[in-house]
Amino acid sequence: DQQVKQNSPSLSVQEGRISILNCDYTNSMFDYFLWYKKYPAEGPTFLISISSIKDKNEDGRFTVFLNKSAKHLSLHIVPSQPGDSAVYFCAASVNNAGKSTFGDGTTLTVKP
Amino acid sequence: DAGVTQSPTHLIKTRGQHVTLRCSPISGHKSVSWYQQVLGQGPQFIFQYYEKEERGRGNFPDRFSARQFPNYSSELNVNALLLGDSALYLCASSLYALPQETQYFGPGTRLLVL
Repeated sequence: DQQVKQNSPSLSVQEGRISILNCDYTNSMFDYFLWYKKYPAEGPTFLISISSIKDKNEDGRFTVFLNKSAKHLSLHIVPSQPGDSAVYFCAASVNNAGKSTFGDGTTLTVKP
Repeated sequence: DAGVTQSPTHLIKTRGQHVTLRCSPISGHKSVSWYQQVLGQGPQFIFQYYEKEERGRGNFPDRFSARQFPNYSSELNVNALLLGDSALYLCASSLYALPQETQYFGPGTRLLVL
């Protein structure tokens, strides 16, 4: 049973608009959530994270929202830029980010 | 500063063979984690090592083993290769194995088993 799910395999957005990537989880023990971005032929790069004691974390154009009761988190990118086109992975961990459980990723395409 | 490096970048093996993948963490980083990423899926945790001690193991068979050396580099070994072991193998490092510490990933080793 997959504990972290990203139900949208792909998302296409116009440059300048908002991109919203979603992630659901089932394990209520998860206490730390992360988003990674991955370009082809590169490893995942850490983007932003949120602890389970918070419901929002913001870093520049990127904001992550956590809804613990719904076991749902989302990543908002505003405004979207063509360079944001990549695969985005949602990940979650229990007390150790080095042992994270990943979703299957969402491919974001930002069109100029 | 050099990031996480992995070798080789690509590898082709046949079923039943053995493979060794190598990872050099960022200088000063003492924790290394290994992940397997099958095409179309997200990375799946295999092992974590900190200060040469195994800190965690994912749901992988005993054919998978790893170790960490005194210089904090690490090896992942896979015995009796199966077709299903074909994947991108990622290594990530961090300073310590703290709960919310940023992980830095290498570019991965792409393994093809024929």
